[in-house]
Amino acid sequence: DAGVTQSPTHLIKTRGQQVTLRCSPKSGHDTVSWYQQALGQGPQFIFQYYEEEERQRGNFPDRFSGHQYPNYSSELNVNALLLGDSALYLCASSLRSRINSPLHFGNGTRLTVT
Amino acid sequence: GIQVEQSPPDLILQEGANSTLRCNFSDSVNNLQWFHQNPWGQLINLFYIPSGTKQNGRLSATTVATERYSLLYISSSQTTDSGVYFCAGPPGSNYKLTFGKGTLLTVNP
Repeated sequence: DAGVTQSPTHLIKTRGQQVTLRCSPKSGHDTVSWYQQALGQGPQFIFQYYEEEERQRGNFPDRFSGHQYPNYSSELNVNALLLGDSALYLCASSLRSRINSPLHFGNGTRLTVT
Repeated sequence: GIQVEQSPPDLILQEGANSTLRCNFSDSVNNLQWFHQNPWGQLINLFYIPSGTKQNGRLSATTVATERYSLLYISSSQTTDSGVYFCAGPPGSNYKLTFGKGTLLTVNP
């Protein structure tokens, strides 16, 4: 049973560039959420995708956007990168119909902006 | 939004010791979860525990929803228990988890 997979594992970008991170949910899951974790902090909710639409959004600017495909996989796009965007980006999946089920996280993508 | 406070922020133990980690919430939480993040960043779901007590091996958790807190117990700690422990929960039945700042646990051999 494949868990949540994310790619790439590490990424180095320059200020002003754009980046795309990818996530495949755990088998059987249909909902994907993205979180940003700065060094020494807990993860912060970015947004959630279900049925290929953004359903909820945290306090992040429009530079952060996403997409979900029919196979439930998801992408996180960040435009006009800032130094402060350097963080671990975590993807979590769950099953929408089981509202109170636990989230399963991927290993994350560590983004460094120089 | 909901506030999540974890204590202690740091904890250093010798192998074999027991510990208790605490999580306080500013509002009611329906879907409280405990996570362990290992030194490589992997975030593992330990417990989904909106109320009551659950046990999994050397770990157990108790949530008292009416008093807005949860406790994570680690018994006979091992070096592999090292890492950061987070509690998280939404204000309602949704997936927008709010995390605490975590407890950094170091277990020395």
